[in-house]
Amino acid sequence: DAGVIQSPRHEVTEMGQEVTLRCKPISGHNSLFWYRQTMMRGLELLIYFNNNVPIDDSGMPEDRFSAKMPNASFSTLKIQPSEPRDSAVYFCASSFPGQGVYEQYFGPGTRLTVT
Amino acid sequence: AQSVTQLDSHVSVSEGTPVLLRCNYSSSYSPSLFWYVQHPNKGLQLLLKYTSAATLVKGINGFEAEFKKSETSFHLTKPSAHMSDAAEYFCVVLSKTSYDKVIFGPGTSLSVIP
Repeated sequence: DAGVIQSPRHEVTEMGQEVTLRCKPISGHNSLFWYRQTMMRGLELLIYFNNNVPIDDSGMPEDRFSAKMPNASFSTLKIQPSEPRDSAVYFCASSFPGQGVYEQYFGPGTRLTVT
Repeated sequence: AQSVTQLDSHVSVSEGTPVLLRCNYSSSYSPSLFWYVQHPNKGLQLLLKYTSAATLVKGINGFEAEFKKSETSFHLTKPSAHMSDAAEYFCVVLSKTSYDKVIFGPGTSLSVIP
């Protein structure tokens, strides 16, 4: 299995630009999570999908952030407009709680730098 | 409400000596507990998990953890530290409510001194 795939691995953009991060979960997994990691705040859960439906988006910082999961094999996290404080590593993870396999499998992350 | 406390933000040990990373949790339900490791500039990797079977759980790379309900603890141990163990370690609790939700601890940074 290829594991969770994220793209791009690194993104550098200017303030005000739109940024789209992409994630392909492990095939067969029906839960998908987006996290943000910074030195100041640690690892934060942004949003959680189950069967392509957003279940908990209470961690999404503000309206500039949006996430979609149009099908079971693809999700996006969009920031528009981006700001320097959005600079962080964004992780995607997937799991399959339906069969009691609750552990999450993490992708390699996307390092975002907003200048 | 669920929560996870990692008592030490940083632990430093000498190579070949035991490792102890502490974790305490709070949960209204019988929890599932995990330890993840994150090496520098890498994603998170599952070390081990407890899901209400044996209370002593063995994981990868010689790590193990013991679930102690009376102490609400799930401390991570390893008999002999290796240089490659230097990383960030996260204790995680999952408490089943209407939907599965995972709570990450703040992390413990482990340094291994040659």
